[in-house]
Amino acid sequence: AQKITQTQPGMFVQEKEAVTLDCTYDTSDQSYGLFWYKQPSSGEMIFLIYQGSYDEQNATEGRYSLNFQKARKSANLVISASQLGDSAMYFCAMRVYNQGGKLIFGQGTELSVKP
Amino acid sequence: KAGVTQTPRYLIKTRGQQVTLSCSPISGHRSVSWYQQTPGQGLQFLFEYFSETQRNKGNFPGRFSGRQFSNSRSEMNVSTLELGDSALYLCASSLRGAVSYNEQFFGPGTRLTVL
Repeated sequence: AQKITQTQPGMFVQEKEAVTLDCTYDTSDQSYGLFWYKQPSSGEMIFLIYQGSYDEQNATEGRYSLNFQKARKSANLVISASQLGDSAMYFCAMRVYNQGGKLIFGQGTELSVKP
Repeated sequence: KAGVTQTPRYLIKTRGQQVTLSCSPISGHRSVSWYQQTPGQGLQFLFEYFSETQRNKGNFPGRFSGRQFSNSRSEMNVSTLELGDSALYLCASSLRGAVSYNEQFFGPGTRLTVL
């Protein structure tokens, strides 16, 4: 069975510092994608970054980077230079490609950025 | 380009009633997925529709149903509401929802409260 585990229910980071949010996944399939979403208090899920299982390089999108370690089945999100607006829930998700568009989500990490 | 829209945004119902939620995907997107988000269970996949056909279904009772119209708009219906159905219901659309990378764009959600 596929599963996403986020072991940090909540985290604090000082403004302008970097922070790493952990995510481990479990699947026996070879073709899958890993996603990170941000959910502010308004509720909308905002796509941040994607990593495909066959991608050899770690994905980066502006201040977001994904530290992909396939052998360890981890896909940690790194946010550089944290901003107050980064305070939100962050979800790691996985899609196994032979299962269509279904996303499997972790329980989330609540990030609080301190001024 | 307009994003994913969901109506209504908020809904209050009583136990035993039924409810219909609507989702309009981004223009040109043919795949629509539905998710339920609760504090206890987190984000759970309900079902996915592609070109008016249900392609995938999560582990929810038959009280939860959905459909997709020829213009890709989707509705989900919950019959005989229970207190545990209180949740944020999120809809996501994507271009194909098929194999390979395919970003899903989420709507703002419908917050359902069952009294």
